[in-house]
Amino acid sequence: GAGVSQSPRYKVAKRGQDVALRCDPISGHVSLFWYQQALGQGPEFLTYFQNEAQLDKSGLPSDRFFAERPEGSVSTLKIQRTQQEDSAVYLCAGEPSGGEGTGELFFGEGSRLTVL
Amino acid sequence: AQSVAQPEDQVNVAEGNPLTVKCTYSVSGNPYLFWYVQYPNRGLQFLLKYITGDNLVKGSYGFEAEFNKSQTSFHLKKPSALVSDSALYFCAVMAYNFNKFYFGSGTKLNVKP
Repeated sequence: GAGVSQSPRYKVAKRGQDVALRCDPISGHVSLFWYQQALGQGPEFLTYFQNEAQLDKSGLPSDRFFAERPEGSVSTLKIQRTQQEDSAVYLCAGEPSGGEGTGELFFGEGSRLTVL
Repeated sequence: AQSVAQPEDQVNVAEGNPLTVKCTYSVSGNPYLFWYVQYPNRGLQFLLKYITGDNLVKGSYGFEAEFNKSQTSFHLKKPSALVSDSALYFCAVMAYNFNKFYFGSGTKLNVKP
C-alpha cells in the first residue's frame, strides 16, 4: 500500500485479555518503530526493528509486551494480560533506511487500545 | 539523557498572523531535532529537521524552525498562519544511535479565521 497500515484501528479489551496489534509498513522500509501515545502526551518509544532484527526493546514497559517482525515486513505488537494502564494509542512508524537514518519517519494512524 | 519540552499546551493565533510554537531540548552530544504534525485522525507527518548547517531550516507547508544552540531551543515558525494549520505539533530529538526519538508532549495550534 501507499502508506503505513495499522489494524485494528480501535480495540476494546477486558482487563486480563491478550491483544495483538498489526503494522504493515511501506514496502522496502528497513526500519520499523513502535511507539505508545497516552492521552495528552507525546509518543514514547517502545521498540525498534531493522529488518527482522529487534535491535532495541528498551522501551517496552513490562514483559507482558512483545513485538516481532519475523520476515522483515509486517510487525505485530502483542500485549498479554492487558491492564488499564495499557490504554493508549499504539503507533507504528517506518523509515526507508537502517542504521544511520534520516529521521523522517512515516507513521500509521495508530491503534487505539482501551482496556476496561 | 535526551528530552524535549514544549512549554505551551495550546497556541491561539489569528489567520494571517505569524505563529511560533516553542520547543527546548536537552541532549548529550550534537542535537538532531525534528518537528512533526498530527492532524485529527491522521498519523504524525514529518515537517522539518535540523541535523547540521544553517540554523534556520525550512520545511513543508511554509513552516520553518530556528535552531539556537545557546538557548537550546528549536522553535517552529510560520510568517502567516492558515486555518488549515490547526493541528497538534510535536517537537522531537533523535537519540545519538538513530534508533529512537524523544517527543515533547505536543502543542495544539488553533488558527482562527
